[in-house]
Amino acid sequence: QKEVEQDPGPLSVPEGAIVSLNCTYSNSAFQYFMWYRQYSRKGPELLMYTYSSGNKEDGRFTAQVDKSSKYISLFIRDSQPSDSATYLCAMSANKLIFGTGTRLQVFP
Amino acid sequence: GAVVSQHPSRVICKSGTSVKIECRSLDFQATTMFWYRQFPKQSLMLMATSNEGSKATYEQGVEKDKFLINHASLTLSTLTVTSAHPEDSSFYICSAGALEGNTDTQYFGPGTRLTVL
Repeated sequence: QKEVEQDPGPLSVPEGAIVSLNCTYSNSAFQYFMWYRQYSRKGPELLMYTYSSGNKEDGRFTAQVDKSSKYISLFIRDSQPSDSATYLCAMSANKLIFGTGTRLQVFP
Repeated sequence: GAVVSQHPSRVICKSGTSVKIECRSLDFQATTMFWYRQFPKQSLMLMATSNEGSKATYEQGVEKDKFLINHASLTLSTLTVTSAHPEDSSFYICSAGALEGNTDTQYFGPGTRLTVL
């Protein structure tokens, strides 16, 4: 079993839709939870960073962590074509462990 | 924000040659730098962690004699792929941590695509 599981997609949605991206994990030692966005042939860009259960909002993005279920989510409201990218969840105890990434395509 | 650069962005080389990739933190000092490898449609896999002025710590399965890492200053780390082979073709990404030992605050470079013929 992988430490971090993420549906690879692809996920295709119309502009304006609400997008839900999810990861599950097995290691209860993970303390920090992050979402990165990676455009094709580019390095990952940090979107959200949380360390406790609950929700954290930043503009159109909301990160949700449920430690009891070992489940994290990223919600994107009013999705835009520019949001089209691969979204990677990552978790940290003493090093970063990444999910495989979910490819998102937002079409006009 | 913190900016990390990598050079070159793309390199094509013949099998058996060595390739050096540079990673620079442009506007902050990075006590710790990380090197990742990403194969197509796969996740980033940590190869090694380097702290300025000390030897790199390699992840299990990563050959330290093949992937030489040097972190000579607080703004520069280099990865040298020695005697590269086609199976080394991948996307290599570095990241820099602003605080020593803080693995969760990492800023990533744009990556280097290595193709070994």
